[in-house]
Amino acid sequence: GNSVTQMEGPVTLSEEAFLTINCTYTATGYPSLFWYVQYPGEGLQLLLKATKADDKGSNKGFEATYRKETTSFHLEKGSVQVSDSAVYFCALSDLSGATNKLIFGTGTLLAVQP
Amino acid sequence: NAGVMQNPRHLVRRRGQEARLRCSPMKGHSHVYWYRQLPEEGLKFMVYLQKENIIDESGMPKERFSAEFPKEGPSILRIQQVVRGDSAAYFCASSESRGLNTEAFFGQGTRLTVV
Repeated sequence: GNSVTQMEGPVTLSEEAFLTINCTYTATGYPSLFWYVQYPGEGLQLLLKATKADDKGSNKGFEATYRKETTSFHLEKGSVQVSDSAVYFCALSDLSGATNKLIFGTGTLLAVQP
Repeated sequence: NAGVMQNPRHLVRRRGQEARLRCSPMKGHSHVYWYRQLPEEGLKFMVYLQKENIIDESGMPKERFSAEFPKEGPSILRIQQVVRGDSAAYFCASSESRGLNTEAFFGQGTRLTVV
């Protein structure tokens, strides 16, 4: 079945460091891929998405490229800020059946220190 | 335009009691999804509803859990005779349609604690 695997956290970085959070997926067909962010005590917010191979999603300095050949969608940011501290979830849209549901990874906690 | 509203934000129930979680979708959205987030895990799909219909409940536990989305009012996730293992964050999401690239908007969740 469809699944998402993302790197375990926590990831601890100093402010202005480069961020990579790895995400790989297993899916039939051509799902859309997403990164969601969850700030402490809050719900999930869509950070960025890509709907087809080689698409690059970007938002707030974050970006991820849909790589079909490596089945990956790694999240990157060139210079993180303390305010980026949150849990990041990689997800794909499950195309099986009639439901447009999301399959999530387990989440990666990012802690950015001043 | 208010976002997806879930209430209560926090709910404490004793073992054996019933828990009712409410979700009001965004205005104009008629598709609702419920997800459960167990401690230190990702979100897992539970059920997908449209107005007055359950479309996909493949992620729902077979017993004690039910969901509805009536013609009027919020969607309700009901858990009967709660057990400690039901303690989790329950998130609702809504979307405008069922299209593959339609964005789902999430509420802030209800954190259920069973004592």
